[in-house]
Parts: sequence; C-alpha cells; structure tokens
Amino acid sequence: DAMVIQNPRYQVTQFGKPVTLSCSQTLNHNVMYWYQQKSSQAPKLLFHYYDKDFNNEADTPDNFQSRRPNTSFCFLDIRSPGLGDAAMYLCATSQKTGAPYEQYFGPGTRLTVT
Amino acid sequence: GQNIDQPTEMTATEGAIVQINCTYQTSGFNGLFWYQQHAGEAPTFLSYNVLDGLEEKGRFSSFLSRSKGYSYLPLKELQMKDSASYLCAVMDSNYQLIWGAGTKLIIKP
Repeated sequence: DAMVIQNPRYQVTQFGKPVTLSCSQTLNHNVMYWYQQKSSQAPKLLFHYYDKDFNNEADTPDNFQSRRPNTSFCFLDIRSPGLGDAAMYLCATSQKTGAPYEQYFGPGTRLTVT
Repeated sequence: GQNIDQPTEMTATEGAIVQINCTYQTSGFNGLFWYQQHAGEAPTFLSYNVLDGLEEKGRFSSFLSRSKGYSYLPLKELQMKDSASYLCAVMDSNYQLIWGAGTKLIIKP
C-alpha cells in the first residue's frame, strides 16, 4: 500500500541534544510538509518542499531545519530542543497538480524533551 | 488575518446525529477539508468541498457556503468509534492549508 511512514513513532531527547525525525513516502508526491502539533491545537506548518524547492514559514524558529535528499525522504532536524518543542511532529504529502491537493499524513512522531 | 473557528468540544449520544460547524476568513479560497483525528494519531481525510452545497460521501458528508464562509460536517448514526477531533482546514490562495484547532467530539452510550 502507498503510504507515508515516520520513524521513530516516539522519540525522547534531552534538552539541547540534537534530534532528527524522518519521513518517507511511497506515493511519489511532489510536496512534503512538516507540521508541529501540540495537544488540542491546530497543526502548525513548519515548512514544506515542492519538489526540491524549500519553503520556510516566517515564524518557524531557526532551531528547526529540514532536508529532502530525494522525492521519497524528508528529515526534520531540531538543533537544540527546548522543553517547548515537545509535541507531535506530523509529516504529510500531497500531489500539487490537480485538485483537491489532499494531504496524506504519516502516523506522527511524538517528541518528549527531558 | 486568516482565521478558522470551530467549537472546542461537543457531546452527543450513540446513534444520534450531530453537526460540527466551521466558519472561516482566509486570503482566497481553494477548497475546504475536513479531517478526523483520534487521540495520539495523525489526521485522516474525510471530505473536501470547493463548490457550494452538500458533498455526500457515505457517513461523512460535508456542506459548504462560500458566500457565508461556512461549512458543516453532519455525522449520522454516531458510533463510539466516532469519538475524535474533527479538524476543518481551508486552502488559501497560496494553496496552503489554514487549520482550525479542531472540535473534540465526545460520544456517550
């Protein structure tokens, strides 16, 4: 089945210790997104790639970086995690050409910062 | 600014009907999405509207009025497994999704 995969599902890191979350997709979609979602809040878009074009949201902290080495994979790097970065991180994909540009989500990685 | 409003929480009884509302103000409009999200899980797509009216899709139909900036999700014959958050999201003129905070639906036996 075509899908969006995120690893790991749960990640514990220490305050200030760099961490990388990964996402892969078998849908061959152009666009990949990273969202941060805290409890009972809307998903917050951090950045997205349209093919190799990187688009950073204006309010995404510099502490968050991303890489997309190829169509299938995308990584989220948190350089110095703070306690406020504890959240669910969601990866999503969409095929921008043709409506309705529905986004397909991976299962998410829940990040705990100790 | 861009804004999506939904009730924070709703309660309904198993077997009943409930309607979850969403109002929006966005820069442009390229469609409205409804997603379901169970606690601790990722959102899953339910429905999409770009034209006014009711989009029927089994148990998860959705209605849109673009002139009123309004949508609703009618849920019929509620089951316990429908307990979840329901997120409304609008695609703006830049094809970015603007998300609501979600409506937590609690279903009681």
